[in-house]
Amino acid sequence: GESVGLHLPTLSVQEGDNSIINCAYSNSASDYFIWYKQESGKGPQFIIDIRSNMDKRQGQRVTVLLNKTVKHLSLQIAATQPGDSAVYFCAGIESGSARQLTFGSGTQLTVLP
Amino acid sequence: DAGITQSPRHKVTETGTPVTLRCHQTENHRYMYWYRQDPGHGLRLIHYSYGVKDTDKGEVSDGYSVSRSKTEDFLLTLESATSSQTSVYFCAISEAPPGPLGYGYTFGSGTRLTVV
Repeated sequence: GESVGLHLPTLSVQEGDNSIINCAYSNSASDYFIWYKQESGKGPQFIIDIRSNMDKRQGQRVTVLLNKTVKHLSLQIAATQPGDSAVYFCAGIESGSARQLTFGSGTQLTVLP
Repeated sequence: DAGITQSPRHKVTETGTPVTLRCHQTENHRYMYWYRQDPGHGLRLIHYSYGVKDTDKGEVSDGYSVSRSKTEDFLLTLESATSSQTSVYFCAISEAPPGPLGYGYTFGSGTRLTVV
């Protein structure tokens, strides 16, 4: 099966700086990944996804990079804002016919004024 | 969260009592999931459904049962609540299994359950 994890449980950045949140996965056959953002007291919200045939995908202020060689995923947030403070999860496809998402344990991003 | 509602939002119950949590969706999505979220464990799948009356177990299904009699409703029952089931429970929906065509999950706002 798939396992995904995050490198750091917490990350603090200054407002206006760029943030990089990392994630590793185990299943080399994984073909789809998603980053979620979870604010306090709320459910996870979809941020951006990437297919395994891509190395990079950009959204509004966010970029996801996929390195299949080392099975590593990262989420970059440009010009981090106070509203970006949240827990960020990566999720990957679990192998097998069920095709369910497996979630990492999350990184708490704190934006400092 | 548009199109998906969980109830109740908060519940305190006693050990040994049965508890039912409800997930209601208005998106007509075929797939529905129940997760629990605990510190240090992330989101763990309890049960999921791939259609009316079609359900299957997830990673942490012991002590839980589910039912789906209508497309829009997915019920999670704790048959006899224990303190280890104190957690935040999230329901999620998807139009199809996640994969290269997309179809990530949309989550509800969660139910905070405390078993005393």
